[in-house]
Amino acid sequence: GAVVSQHPSRVICKSGTSVKIECRSLDFQATTMFWYRQFPKQSLMLMATSNEGSKATYEQGVEKDKFLINHASLTLSTLTVTSAHPEDSSFYICSARIMGSVSYGYTFGSGTRLTVV
Amino acid sequence: AQSVSQHNHHVILSEAASLELGCNYSYGGTVNLFWYVQYPGQHLQLLLKYFSGDPLVKGIKGFEAEFIKSKFSFNLRKPSVQWSDTAEYFCAVNAASGGYNKLIFGAGTRLAVHP
Repeated sequence: GAVVSQHPSRVICKSGTSVKIECRSLDFQATTMFWYRQFPKQSLMLMATSNEGSKATYEQGVEKDKFLINHASLTLSTLTVTSAHPEDSSFYICSARIMGSVSYGYTFGSGTRLTVV
Repeated sequence: AQSVSQHNHHVILSEAASLELGCNYSYGGTVNLFWYVQYPGQHLQLLLKYFSGDPLVKGIKGFEAEFIKSKFSFNLRKPSVQWSDTAEYFCAVNAASGGYNKLIFGAGTRLAVHP
């Protein structure tokens, strides 16, 4: 089945530095990917929709200058957390939509746990 | 804006008990509905989804869900749970908004099944 590979799975960075998270579709082309953030014991909150070859669409309240999304190819989307601070510590998950003939679905990466110290 | 509400945040059951997890959504247009499961330390997995047709949807691992349009609900059920069903369950709705389709999740229900 369609697989999305996300890495790193864990990253610890110092406050003020930037961190890049990659999301790759392994056996399919993903024109649209989604980035979510999950706080402990909470749901997944959609941060942005990443569109290949165009600008990402950010959800209300998400700082586009802080969370930079690049979707330069049909198999790779990246999320860069710039000037990270401890409050950015969270679990970040990417997802891609899989289009079928009569329906569609979503496949999810395994997530990246970011800890900012 | 569309939203998804899961009524039960934490459910504790004994093995062989029946399970029903509530899910309601708010959106006036056509929606596609999903239930995902997240086992500890693992990524989200699709249990089942509803697009059209029979409102009673059968999924993997013995789960099913019923779409009741008049109630804006998509409750998840399993007649007899197992210890291995211990996980977090998320209801999600995909609806078009602002020209983009996106998947919105409920808060999740943490299920603990005791042997």
